[in-house]
Amino acid sequence: GENVEQHPSTLSVQEGDSAVIKCTYSDSASNYFPWYKQELGKRPQLIIDIRSNVGEKKDQRIAVTLNKTAKHFSLHITETQPEDSAVYFCAASIGNTGKLIFGQGTTLQVKP
Amino acid sequence: NAGVTQTPKFQVLKTGQSMTLQCAQDMNHNSMYWYRQDPGMGLRLIYYSASEGTTDKGEVPNGYNVSRLNKREFSLRLESAAPSQTSVYFCASSEAWSGETQYFGPGTRLLVL
Repeated sequence: GENVEQHPSTLSVQEGDSAVIKCTYSDSASNYFPWYKQELGKRPQLIIDIRSNVGEKKDQRIAVTLNKTAKHFSLHITETQPEDSAVYFCAASIGNTGKLIFGQGTTLQVKP
Repeated sequence: NAGVTQTPKFQVLKTGQSMTLQCAQDMNHNSMYWYRQDPGMGLRLIYYSASEGTTDKGEVPNGYNVSRLNKREFSLRLESAAPSQTSVYFCASSEAWSGETQYFGPGTRLLVL
């Protein structure tokens, strides 16, 4: 079946440093790649997404890059702040459908 | 505009009992989803409804049934709960079926003893 692998599972950075989380996917027909942030005890919330016809997308301190050939995409957070501490999930669509396969999550800790 | 709402927030069941998790959205979205979240496993799709009147199985449908009651409401039923169904359940909705943001509800924490 389709699969999304996410690395690392935990990431600790100093405030102000950058953080990078990487995901690989198996379905070459995937065309939608969202990233969700989940704070402890809360619901997942979309922070950025990218579609297969775009290689990079940026929103303030957050950026996502997509390499369709290699079937991997990455989340980049610059100038990290303590409030960025959370679990981050990547996901990939199954083909051109609304079905999403999620990665296992990355726990990001930003130390003041 | 409440977004996606779920009831109950927390439930304890005994093995073999049944229950229905309720989900409603007020964003006029066409598609709705049920996920379960277990530690270290991310979110897994149980069932989905691409549009009103349709439902289909996701990644982990065994032991569950769903009903798309109308455009707003999508319920998940456990007919005979098992300890393996202990999890946090999230409902989500999106405006359209493909390539659209999925908005999540607050979740239901279910413990099956």
